[in-house]
Amino acid sequence: DIQMTQSPSSLSASVGNRVTITCRASQSISNYLNWYQQKPGKAPKVLIYDASILQSGVPSRFSGSGSGTDFTLTISSLQPEDFATYYCQQSYSTPRTFGQGTKLEIK
Amino acid sequence: QVQLQESGPGLVKPSQTLSLTCTVSGGSISRGYYFWTWIRQHPGKGLEWIGYIYNSETSYYNPSLKSRVTISADTSKNQFSLNLNSVTAADTAVYYCARDQTGGLGWFDPWGQGILVTVSS
Repeated sequence: DIQMTQSPSSLSASVGNRVTITCRASQSISNYLNWYQQKPGKAPKVLIYDASILQSGVPSRFSGSGSGTDFTLTISSLQPEDFATYYCQQSYSTPRTFGQGTKLEIK
Repeated sequence: QVQLQESGPGLVKPSQTLSLTCTVSGGSISRGYYFWTWIRQHPGKGLEWIGYIYNSETSYYNPSLKSRVTISADTSKNQFSLNLNSVTAADTAVYYCARDQTGGLGWFDPWGQGILVTVSS
């Protein structure tokens, strides 16, 4: 199985800040990397797929980059509704695997 | 738009079989070559992919669960189901159904709201 490791595990930031979350795969996954946002008690919601493609309806302050083993999710200017847990997930091979999550909290 | 809804018992006894159903509305599970997927989340933990079914009959499972899991589909009801046998407390989780994209591209949208299943006597 491909292991996905996110950093940091938690992050405190203020509204308006720019934040970056990193995801590393245990082997090269090309650009087969997806990002999800999950709020408490809710299902995850896809933000970005194939490393950098913004899902329809997702605000443009979210962006993704990377290829191979190293990827980033950037939120350019944090909004109150962005405080949530973020997961990366590889779609290079089965079984599909997720990172452990990054909890983004209000400072 | 397509919507998914999980249903089933919220409490299962150890050693018994966990059975859940995902009802799909707004689209047919037998069209579009989508991969209909189950994912679970242990309390306070990360996400674990369980497996999927496509073409209404071809399924693939996470090797970590393969010996205990079956995913099936009922096209007449536009539903797909998860059976997990010989459950233990380690199977306590929120179970989500989700749609993988056409051809199994590997990202999931939409998701059901999730159903908490507790394994306890």
